[in-house]
Amino acid sequence: QKEVEQNSGPLSVPEGAIASLNCTYSDRGSQSFFWYRQYSGKSPELIMSIYSNGDKEDGRFTAQLNKASQYVSLLIRDSQPSDSATYLCAVNNAGNMLTFGGGTRLMVKP
Amino acid sequence: GAVVSQHPSRVICKSGTSVKIECRSLDFQATTMFWYRQFPKQSLMLMATSNEGSKATYEQGVEKDKFLINHASLTLSTLTVTSAHPEDSSFYICSAENRNDGYGYTFGSGTRLTVV
Repeated sequence: QKEVEQNSGPLSVPEGAIASLNCTYSDRGSQSFFWYRQYSGKSPELIMSIYSNGDKEDGRFTAQLNKASQYVSLLIRDSQPSDSATYLCAVNNAGNMLTFGGGTRLMVKP
Repeated sequence: GAVVSQHPSRVICKSGTSVKIECRSLDFQATTMFWYRQFPKQSLMLMATSNEGSKATYEQGVEKDKFLINHASLTLSTLTVTSAHPEDSSFYICSAENRNDGYGYTFGSGTRLTVV
């Protein structure tokens, strides 16, 4: 069974700190990796996608992928209260379907 | 960017009635759309994959006769919840893959279904 695992949290960080969100996946054949942000009562919105090992930076967000360890992470620098949300890790396998992790709830305290 | 429009955003229906949810890709063609269901404080669970011009593929445990999916065109997929019951109350979300511009998967805004 293909699984994507995340710590449910809540992860609480002070405003301005770095938030680190982690995700592991079980299917070694996974090709694409995504981080989505979901506010309560809203649908997910794509923050980052990453396809190859290493780091990918976009503004305050950095996605990190390590296929050997089957691990993908999201770093949020200079965290803001508006970043408080649930962050979903999603993995796309060869079957072209997204499998979501359970999500990590992030709380950024002013 | 890629936009997926989903309607209605909220619907309340009586137990035993049917509800149709529409999902449209506004600026791209989507041969495949996905339907998810999300219960409170839980992650998204894939219900079915909707394929244009052919039958949908349902995930294990999802009743195809209860959740009817129609994908008659490259821009429209519909999910009909038939004979709805209170346990069907949930947040239903569609998504589509935009292969043309590399936008990945775009989600609709979701439909909050409440069955009373």
